[in-house]
Amino acid sequence: EPEVTQTPSHQVTQMGQEVILRCVPISNHLYFYWYRQILGQKVEFLVSFYNNEISEKSEIFDDQFSVERPDGSNFTLKIRSTKLEDSAMYFCASSRSGELFFGEGSRLTVL
Amino acid sequence: RKEVEQDPGPFNVPEGATVAFNCTYSNSASQSFFWYRQDCRKEPKLLMSVYSSGNEDGRFTAQLNRASQYISLLIRDSKLSDSATYLCVPDTGRRALTFGSGTRLQVQP
Repeated sequence: EPEVTQTPSHQVTQMGQEVILRCVPISNHLYFYWYRQILGQKVEFLVSFYNNEISEKSEIFDDQFSVERPDGSNFTLKIRSTKLEDSAMYFCASSRSGELFFGEGSRLTVL
Repeated sequence: RKEVEQDPGPFNVPEGATVAFNCTYSNSASQSFFWYRQDCRKEPKLLMSVYSSGNEDGRFTAQLNRASQYISLLIRDSKLSDSATYLCVPDTGRRALTFGSGTRLQVQP
């Protein structure tokens, strides 16, 4: 069964450092997403991406965040200068129609 | 107003019990719904899609009441492995789905 894969599974970084989280969506899906979940809180939408551009973003997705689809398979989330409050689980998702399918997540710990 | 309202629980039930969760939604234009389950520190996983009045998949039954704007999920013969948070998610026509806090289920031996 096709699945969304994410790397790394866990990353520890120092405050102020840049982080890139990587995702390989399901191959025939056209819509890609990043969500995050701070420990103990609900899953929050960050950004959606379609046809090589951002289609929607939330208030959380400020100038410190960017997304890219550098080739035909990868979809990345970059955080330019991490803050302590960026510590969370970051989930990538993809969809073809309504349902979203999530990867296992990348846990980011900012020290 | 929140898109969905769910009882946060936890619902503590013994193995083998039948348990039902309700979810009320505010956007009457929502055409379809999804039930996701999320285990602690894991990703949300699609459990069921509901496009008409309901759906059934094994021990799981979802029913949609558009007039009252609620959707329910019934789990029969609960297993220990059913312990998770269950998230009701409406498809509002936006591509991105909005997740609430869900209902926590704890099935006990």
